[in-house]
Amino acid sequence: TQLLEQSPQFLSIQEGENLTVYCNSSSVFSSLQWYRQEPGEGPVLLVTVVTGGEVKKLKRLTFQFGDARKDSSLHITAAQPGDTGLYLCAGAESGYSTLTFGKGTMLLVSP
Amino acid sequence: DTAVSQTPKYLVTQMGNDKSIKCEQNLGHDTMYWYKQDSKKFLKIMFSYNNKELIINETVPNRFSPKSPDKAHLNLHINSLELGDSAVYFCASSQTDTIYFGEGSWLTVV
Repeated sequence: TQLLEQSPQFLSIQEGENLTVYCNSSSVFSSLQWYRQEPGEGPVLLVTVVTGGEVKKLKRLTFQFGDARKDSSLHITAAQPGDTGLYLCAGAESGYSTLTFGKGTMLLVSP
Repeated sequence: DTAVSQTPKYLVTQMGNDKSIKCEQNLGHDTMYWYKQDSKKFLKIMFSYNNKELIINETVPNRFSPKSPDKAHLNLHINSLELGDSAVYFCASSQTDTIYFGEGSWLTVV
């Protein structure tokens, strides 16, 4: 079973600050996804990365997949209160249809 | 239109009771799941069905019994509820690697 470690577990920042959260594993993944879960809701997919070294941008969010496809990072520029939520990374190993989720990073952005 | 819908959203029940959570998806996906999210927000798969057939059954007590009458529905029945069953249960569906989650069912066992 692959394990995904996310750090930090909790992050509290002021509006306008930048931040990076990390997702690390000793396993290689065929694809890695980032989800955001808002309070009282289910996780919603933000992005899927499949190629080592790949960088994807979604407005103020930048996602990077490590060259060896074992890790990923999510960078948020000029965070806003609407970015508050639980950020989950999830990896899929080829041959498996199930995603393995990390334990998440809880982000709180204060006005 | 809700893609993955589950009911009830909130459920408070006493230890020892039997309860069910229903799930329906209108995305035409072949695969459906039940996930459990504990108090520390850790999301862990419980079951996965593909075209009504069970394909993944993680280490879950046999008090939990999923039922899939058709590929658009996956219900979860729980017998003899215990305090430790309190959690948020998410139904989900997928066709490829992307998983679409329902809004969750908050189960509290008292």
